[in-house]
Parts: sequence; structure tokens; C-alpha cells
Amino acid sequence: NAGVTQTPKFRILKIGQSMTLQCAQDMNHNYMYWYRQDPGMGLKLIYYSVGAGITDKGEVPNGYNVSRSTTEDFPLRLELAAPSQTSVYFCASSYSTNPSYEQYFGPGTRLTVT
Amino acid sequence: TQLLEQSPQFLSIQEGENLTVYCNSSSVFSSLQWYRQEPGEGPVLLVTVVTGGEVKKLKRLTFQFGDARKDSSLHITAAQTGDTGLYLCAGVISSGSARQLTFGSGTQLTVLP
Repeated sequence: NAGVTQTPKFRILKIGQSMTLQCAQDMNHNYMYWYRQDPGMGLKLIYYSVGAGITDKGEVPNGYNVSRSTTEDFPLRLELAAPSQTSVYFCASSYSTNPSYEQYFGPGTRLTVT
Repeated sequence: TQLLEQSPQFLSIQEGENLTVYCNSSSVFSSLQWYRQEPGEGPVLLVTVVTGGEVKKLKRLTFQFGDARKDSSLHITAAQTGDTGLYLCAGVISSGSARQLTFGSGTQLTVLP
């Protein structure tokens, strides 16, 4: 199993551009999550999904959109990129019935908006 | 917003020393997790503590969940250079059908040879 994969690893965007961060998992997890991590800060939840076709906002959803058309994929869309969206983005997944609630994280996408 | 405060934010020690990292909140969590993150990678789960007062050991790492389930500590005995990394605590919130994590800001540990 590849686990959770994210593409691209790095990206530089100009202000106002848009892009999609890709996330895929091959563990048949039903829950998936998007986080951002700023320097010196913990991870903040952007959006999450409990299954295909179902998404919900996390703590910091403004400026982002998500979709979940399949169990495996959970892309994050940035419209009109702003410097405040410069961050490292992590995708994660988990089993709904895993008693330890373990989340498996991807390697991250480092995004710079200038 | 439920906040988790971690201390210290940075810790640099010599190999062989002991250390303790703290995670505190004014909120009660159903359980609490500790993750370790290395540069360029995502966090990896170390342990989940569920019961107030619970103590779990993972080799040289000892994790404790406070009696009131608002705080936790991570103690490392005889630290090794391989323990270097960012340690994150995360409180588990059960919200409807989903389980969300609230992360602390992390403790950056550097173990010097």
C-alpha cells in the first residue's frame, strides 16, 4: 500500500491564481481530512469528509473548497490564492471504526503564494 | 475553539538526558493522541490515551493522561538523537459521526550527540 499520497510536493502561486492539491489513499478509509500547518503552529483542520459525497467545514475553511466523489480521492481547491494561504498542507485519512482514531498523514504540499 | 497548549515550544538537550513535554487545555477530551513529525513528513501517531489517569509506555517514552482528561504529558528517558523531531499532542473531539483532532502547537525537540 502507498498509504496517503499528495501531489505536488511544492508549488509557488501568484496572488489570485488558483490550484488543486491532490490527495489519494489506498487503504479504503472512509474518513479524510485536510489540514494546514504554519510555522510554529499546530495543524488546523480545513475540511473533512466522512465518506464519498459528504464534506464538512473544519476550523479554517475560508478560501478553500473540497469534493469527495470517490472513497480514494479528496482534492482541495484554492481559488484566488492569497499570501495568507502560504503554508504546508497535509491530507490525512482514518477508519471510522478504528478505536485508536489514528489518522494517517500524507507527506504534505508546501505552498508559497507571492 | 478548544485550545491545546504545549510547553516548552523548543527543547534542546544532550543525549542521555531525560525530558518532559506538557500538553494542557481547559477543555475535556474524549481521548488524546501524541504524534511525532520529522522534517518534510506528515505526523505519525505514537499513542492514544483514553482513560483519565491512564499511563502508557512505548519503550523509553511514557505518556500520561490527566485524571480530568484535560492535560497530558510525554516523558522521554535517556533521550537519543533519533528522538529529535516535532512532538504534537492532539485532542479527539467526537462531533456527530466524525472524529476531529485539535492539535497543539508542538514541541520541537533537538537531542544533541
